[in-house]
Amino acid sequence: GAGVSQSPSNKVTEKGKDVELRCDPISGHTALYWYRQRLGQGLEFLIYFQGNSAPDKSGLPSDRFSAERTGESVSTLTIQRTQQEDSAVYLCASTLADSSYEQYFGPGTRLTVT
Amino acid sequence: AQKVTQAQTEISVVEKEDVTLDCVYETRDTTYYLFWYKQPPSGELVFLIRRNSFDEQNEISGRYSWNFQKSTSSFNFTITASQVVDSAVYFCALRGLSGGSYIPTFGRGTSLIVHP
Repeated sequence: GAGVSQSPSNKVTEKGKDVELRCDPISGHTALYWYRQRLGQGLEFLIYFQGNSAPDKSGLPSDRFSAERTGESVSTLTIQRTQQEDSAVYLCASTLADSSYEQYFGPGTRLTVT
Repeated sequence: AQKVTQAQTEISVVEKEDVTLDCVYETRDTTYYLFWYKQPPSGELVFLIRRNSFDEQNEISGRYSWNFQKSTSSFNFTITASQVVDSAVYFCALRGLSGGSYIPTFGRGTSLIVHP
């Protein structure tokens, strides 16, 4: 079946603009994660959705970052008033509800803030 | 709190050499899961293996093998007879179950470069 998809694959924006990044998880995966990966760095957790429970937003770096998810489907990550330090690859992953399961990652969105 | 340490930032080998990627973890959970992921130059992370804390059996899959030792809190990954296609960044991750937290902790990754 289809894997996790993300769009756009690349986004170049000017400092101060808002951006929206989209993630389509694997069908049936109730859990969805957003991560940020700066060049040459590891994965930085941003936010986690599990079914209809309140999301875990503990990783969001500032109030300029927000995310939504409709049910157990698409999620959007919004960054308002982008800054140059927001430049990174934003990765989305989904998994079955049970925490024992591995994550399936999307190809990422490369965000460049000029 | 959970922590995953991949002390090797970058490893460079010549094709056909064996190479071991180290992963050391810290957790207070008695039940937890360990994972390895591969991130090739194309960028998409790919799951390699999952191991739960109650299963210390080593695993071999082709040229890949994993050594899980609870006594030393390590989950090391060995590639035998490395190939150029093994060049990637490899991440070790830990997910504990305390408090219902399903957020995994990733190491910073080890970049493996295999030269022809």
